[in-house]
Amino acid sequence: QVQLVQSGGEVRKPGASVKVSCKASNYNFATYGINWVRQAPGQGLEWVGWISPGNGNRNYAQKFQGRLTLTTDTSTTTAHMELRSLTSDDTAVYYCAREGFIVVAGTPQDFHYYFMDVWGKGTTVTVSS
Amino acid sequence: QPVLTQPPSASGTPGQRVTLSCSGSDSNIGFATMNWYQQVPGAAPKLLIYRDDQRPSGIPDRFSGSKSGTSASLAIRGLQSEDEADYYCATWDDSLNAWVFGGGTKLTVL
Repeated sequence: QVQLVQSGGEVRKPGASVKVSCKASNYNFATYGINWVRQAPGQGLEWVGWISPGNGNRNYAQKFQGRLTLTTDTSTTTAHMELRSLTSDDTAVYYCAREGFIVVAGTPQDFHYYFMDVWGKGTTVTVSS
Repeated sequence: QPVLTQPPSASGTPGQRVTLSCSGSDSNIGFATMNWYQQVPGAAPKLLIYRDDQRPSGIPDRFSGSKSGTSASLAIRGLQSEDEADYYCATWDDSLNAWVFGGGTKLTVL
């Protein structure tokens, strides 16, 4: 079955960096984008960013610009999220999620509808001195 | 503060029908289709509804979605104890060029 397996929990000190991995299996990795979503303790979901394994295009949420880097390795079908200059506010569970889509024929162009259809189990990142 | 507004809590008794709401603006709900996610405690979110009212395979037809203007709703009929979870609405925001989520509604089955 389609699966995203994330790396284990991490503990970092303020100011440090963390890199989380997300290995995809059982689908064409290049065809679907990967989103990263985080959830602080007791809080809701927050979109972090998106990357296309097919062409490397990226889109980062404004608040993470400058300290976030998303990458993919198509040879290992793995996506990575690196977040730098960590503060306690970055303590959260970080999820990777496949961006599924459907295409509906239309005129003059087809319509694409996107959603996050497969999720990893999450990686807990704790930032503490 | 989340871009989309959801009531923080809702409740119902087994067998009842409940409706969860989500409101936004022209740049998000009024621009793109709505997706809904269910998150049971300690687990990752799960796609429940996509493209406003479509159910992925495996999602029971007790769950239904609708959208009108800048608001969307998720209805659950025949409420079951296993439906107790957090429910998030999410859509694309054309002004922010970002996915946006609601703050989530915690559904309690009494």
